[in-house]
Amino acid sequence: DIQMTQSPSAMSASVGDRVTITCRASQGISNHLVWFQQKPGKVPKRLIYASSSLQSGVPSRFSGSGSGTEFTLTISSLQPEDFATYYCLQHNSDPLTFGGGTKVEIK
Amino acid sequence: EVQLVESGGGLVQPGRSLRLSCTTSGFTFRDSGMSWMRHLPGKGLEWVGFIRNKAYGGAAVYGASVKGRFTISRDDSRSIAYLQMDSLKTEDTAVYYCTRDGRGTNSYYFDCWGQGTLVTVSS
Repeated sequence: DIQMTQSPSAMSASVGDRVTITCRASQGISNHLVWFQQKPGKVPKRLIYASSSLQSGVPSRFSGSGSGTEFTLTISSLQPEDFATYYCLQHNSDPLTFGGGTKVEIK
Repeated sequence: EVQLVESGGGLVQPGRSLRLSCTTSGFTFRDSGMSWMRHLPGKGLEWVGFIRNKAYGGAAVYGASVKGRFTISRDDSRSIAYLQMDSLKTEDTAVYYCTRDGRGTNSYYFDCWGQGTLVTVSS
């Protein structure tokens, strides 16, 4: 199984900060990676697919990059509505596996 | 508008069974695979399994923690996906989601989710 190591597991940031979240795959997954945002009690929302493609309707401050084993989700200027938990998901091979999540909290 | 609606969750005793349904509309269900995910309480997201569309054989694959106990099926005539959960364990307690999964066919994968249904396994 492919392990997805996501870091950090939690972070505090201020509005306007640049935020970077990383996922590392235990083996190469090409660009078969999706990023989700989930708020408490809400449904996960797809932000990025195919590692770097922005989901329609998602603000352009979100971006994704990477290929192979290392991937990054960047929020260029954190907004109040961005405080949430973020997950990566690899779908290169079964079983699909999620990263452990990154909780972004208000500093 | 794409819609997915899960139903069938509830409280069930360990060892018993439950069947979840995912009723869909707004897209061509028969052309799409479907995945089930779950959110474990106080923990993260977990992939449960996936069923291919009939053009790709219609087979299902499962995560290790549910393999042999859970079965995914589909009714293309009614645009519904099912998750049959047998031999339930307390650690299966979670909110279960269905999601459209068009991997390999198009970019419509994990973009639309149902609202989730809570399954609580407890004596």
